[in-house]
Amino acid sequence: NAGVMQNPRHLVRRRGQEARLRCSPMKGHSHVYWYRQLPEEGLKFMVYLQKENIIDESGMPKERFSAEFPKEGPSILRIQQVVRGDSAAYFCASSFQGRETQYFGPGTRLLVL
Amino acid sequence: DAKTTQPPSMDCAEGRAANLPCNHSTISGNEYVYWYRQIHSQGPQYIIHGLKNNETNEMASLIITEDRKSSTLILPHATLRDTAVYYCIVRSRGSEKLVFGKGTKLTVNP
Repeated sequence: NAGVMQNPRHLVRRRGQEARLRCSPMKGHSHVYWYRQLPEEGLKFMVYLQKENIIDESGMPKERFSAEFPKEGPSILRIQQVVRGDSAAYFCASSFQGRETQYFGPGTRLLVL
Repeated sequence: DAKTTQPPSMDCAEGRAANLPCNHSTISGNEYVYWYRQIHSQGPQYIIHGLKNNETNEMASLIITEDRKSSTLILPHATLRDTAVYYCIVRSRGSEKLVFGKGTKLTVNP
């Protein structure tokens, strides 16, 4: 009965590189959410996806960030040309349907040097 | 989604009940009260949620006042592993995203 899985758990990138964060939802869940937690701050919603569709990206920074949830495989949050301010914990959550309880993964800690 | 107010921190003795309050005076009729906790920067863990009636599960009880303007999360027998930040979130039926505040940092003392 696996929960939400995220990998990698820790990711170190140098400024200007790309970061790819993966999220596999709970079995049977087709709705995925990404949240970001900056150091010493609360979690902030970034994006909500269903299979092959972005439903709400109101929390995504306008540049360098993108997300996808393909028909097959995990959801991916992609950050291009990372900067030090991108250093944060990125959490993925999934739900069975769009307005039901969200269950979170363990997060990916991104450190940009 | 309605705003919530929680005390920034609370202490509780191990084995005693922990009662965590939350004010949500602007809550509307179709909004649920959700509780999550985050143990030392791990992923948030779902605890319980409710609309009007009190709810209980294996983790906790949720008591919602009759006017729905406030609620209390009860951990009946707190253990050291319950030390965490507890978030009270009001979420409308039509909203997919969760809006996290600063939460209450609960410290369970031996």
